[in-house]
Amino acid sequence: NAGVTQTPKFQVLKTGQSMTLQCAQDMNHNSMYWYRQDPGMGLRLIYYSASEGTTDKGEVPNGYNVSRLNKREFSLRLESAAPSQTSVYFCASRPLQLLSGNTIYFGEGSWLTVV
Amino acid sequence: QKEVEQDPGPLSVPEGAIVSLNCTYSNSAFQYFMWYRQYSRKGPELLMYTYSSGNKEDGRFTAQVDKSSKYISLFIRDSQPSDSATYLCAMSGWGGGADGLTFGKGTHLIIQP
Repeated sequence: NAGVTQTPKFQVLKTGQSMTLQCAQDMNHNSMYWYRQDPGMGLRLIYYSASEGTTDKGEVPNGYNVSRLNKREFSLRLESAAPSQTSVYFCASRPLQLLSGNTIYFGEGSWLTVV
Repeated sequence: QKEVEQDPGPLSVPEGAIVSLNCTYSNSAFQYFMWYRQYSRKGPELLMYTYSSGNKEDGRFTAQVDKSSKYISLFIRDSQPSDSATYLCAMSGWGGGADGLTFGKGTHLIIQP
């Protein structure tokens, strides 16, 4: 059981370049999330998708776009990368509340450096 | 005031000690409380979750919730070097909220062999 799978695991970008982080889950979960994690800042929500076809901004959406391609896949795009977007990015998913107590399941992370 | 406060540590204890990790929160609507463990260069993994007040035990781990004080704890008995990690508390209200959980910033725990 793969759970939540993110690609790529590591990436170095130049300022101004674009890239897409891919995420897929095989647990038939409804909600999916993108977080970034920075030292001293904890996990911060970038975007989320409560169900297929819907997306909403989280705490730090500026500079990012997302696509909920289908129930399994949720991608995060950086249109013009900036050094401030150097971070570790985590994709996560969550099943229906009653099945899980609102728990979220995370991928292994994508380490992004913007130079 | 942040919704969830968690001492970042690092907290360093000798192997075999009892470890106490804590979070305080301000939102009285929180009903579900979770602890995640995150090893270096890995994603957070769910350790335990509890609903409302009370205790829950799983092996060497005990989660405790005191809603009257808005305080949650994770106790680790007979701590092992493999318990060295960052521990994140997380919580949400009954409805969950489509925007997921509110996280603490994590406590870095070091178990000395």
